[in-house]
Amino acid sequence: QKEVEQDPGPLSVPEGAIVSLNCTYSNSAFQYFMWYRQYSRKGPELLMYTYSSGNKEDGRFTAQVDKSSKYISLFIRDSQPSDSATYLCAMTYIIQGAQKLVFGQGTRLTINP
Amino acid sequence: DAGITQSPRHKVTETGTPVTLRCHQTENHRYMYWYRQDPGHGLRLIHYSYGVKDTDKGEVSDGYSVSRSKTEDFLLTLESATSSQTSVYFCAISGQTYGYTFGSGTRLTVV
Repeated sequence: QKEVEQDPGPLSVPEGAIVSLNCTYSNSAFQYFMWYRQYSRKGPELLMYTYSSGNKEDGRFTAQVDKSSKYISLFIRDSQPSDSATYLCAMTYIIQGAQKLVFGQGTRLTINP
Repeated sequence: DAGITQSPRHKVTETGTPVTLRCHQTENHRYMYWYRQDPGHGLRLIHYSYGVKDTDKGEVSDGYSVSRSKTEDFLLTLESATSSQTSVYFCAISGQTYGYTFGSGTRLTVV
């Protein structure tokens, strides 16, 4: 069983739709929960992070963490064609003083005009 | 990406030849990482470094070695490239309590 599971999609929705992306995890030692966005032929860039259960908003994006269920989500409101990218969830724990990130497989999202 | 550069951006090499990829940072971060990204597998950690001359293996380290002689440079070497090492390679740096900053990647093709 992978430590982090993410549905790879692909996911295609019309412009303006609400998008929900999800990951589950098995390791209770994870401390920080992140979402990265990766455009085609680019490196991943940090979109949002959180370290506690609950919701965190940033503009059209909301990150949600439920530690009791080991489940995290990213919601995108009023989705735009520029949101088309691969979204990767990631979680960290500390081992030998180094921050270790474990990534989900990534969900490929397309927003259709 | 600001503060981190990878070279080369693209490379085609023959099976059995050695290949070295370079990651250079200007952020003076302690931690540096090499990942490979493949369809169906996502990002997988190859090796990481927690200081000059201090490195450790990740989950897919077989066939790869690394070196870090200066804080700013982290080299990934494929001693004898194989077709299974065709991939996109990303370097990342970390100096904060969460998250990494990634480079733009090196697209390597082994023929």
